[in-house]
Amino acid sequence: DAGVTQSPTHLIKTRGQHVTLRCSPISGHKSVSWYQQVLGQGPQFIFQYYEKEERGRGNFPDRFSARQFPNYSSELNVNALLLGDSALYLCASSLAQGNSGANVLTFGAGSRLTVL
Amino acid sequence: RKEVEQDPGPFNVPEGATVAFNCTYSNSASQSFFWYRQDCRKEPKLLMSVYSSGNEDGRFTAQLNRASQYISLLIRDSKLSDSATYLCVVASDRGSTLGRLYFGRGTQLTVWP
Repeated sequence: DAGVTQSPTHLIKTRGQHVTLRCSPISGHKSVSWYQQVLGQGPQFIFQYYEKEERGRGNFPDRFSARQFPNYSSELNVNALLLGDSALYLCASSLAQGNSGANVLTFGAGSRLTVL
Repeated sequence: RKEVEQDPGPFNVPEGATVAFNCTYSNSASQSFFWYRQDCRKEPKLLMSVYSSGNEDGRFTAQLNRASQYISLLIRDSKLSDSATYLCVVASDRGSTLGRLYFGRGTQLTVWP
């Protein structure tokens, strides 16, 4: 079975540009979350979507936005890129919204963004 | 104050050694606890959940102390393949933060032959 797939795997942008990252969850999973991992730090929560609605937002500026489509795939958009946005962007999916019991997050391999 | 605090290490141990990692969390309302493993330039993968009574999975033992808000991971008989970064993770299962994971910065482990 395919796991969580993300694209692109690597990309380079310049300051001020925008970027769109894509994520396909595991088949049957309805919740998608996005995390940012800066080098040397743990992942930090950006967004969670469940049943196509935003269910949580982390402490990120409005330059960050996301959406979930009817097939439960998701996009993360970042506008007006800054050097500090350089990071590994991780998408994770789960069956439902919580984290207990069998409802555990599975992460994709991530999209590595470099902003020059 | 960060939600989850971890000693970043690095820990460098020989094969066969026993090594312990610790972390503390700040939100007493946290309900779920995990250890994730992350290999270099890869995604985090769930190593094990942590239960109040403590739990063991082969060479790995996890402990939770809710009163002290402290989580530990013990690795016995270390293998070269255990070399990775170990992330301490807590989650809330209710309210506005439902479904959100809070990660520590990770503890780097290198096991040498």
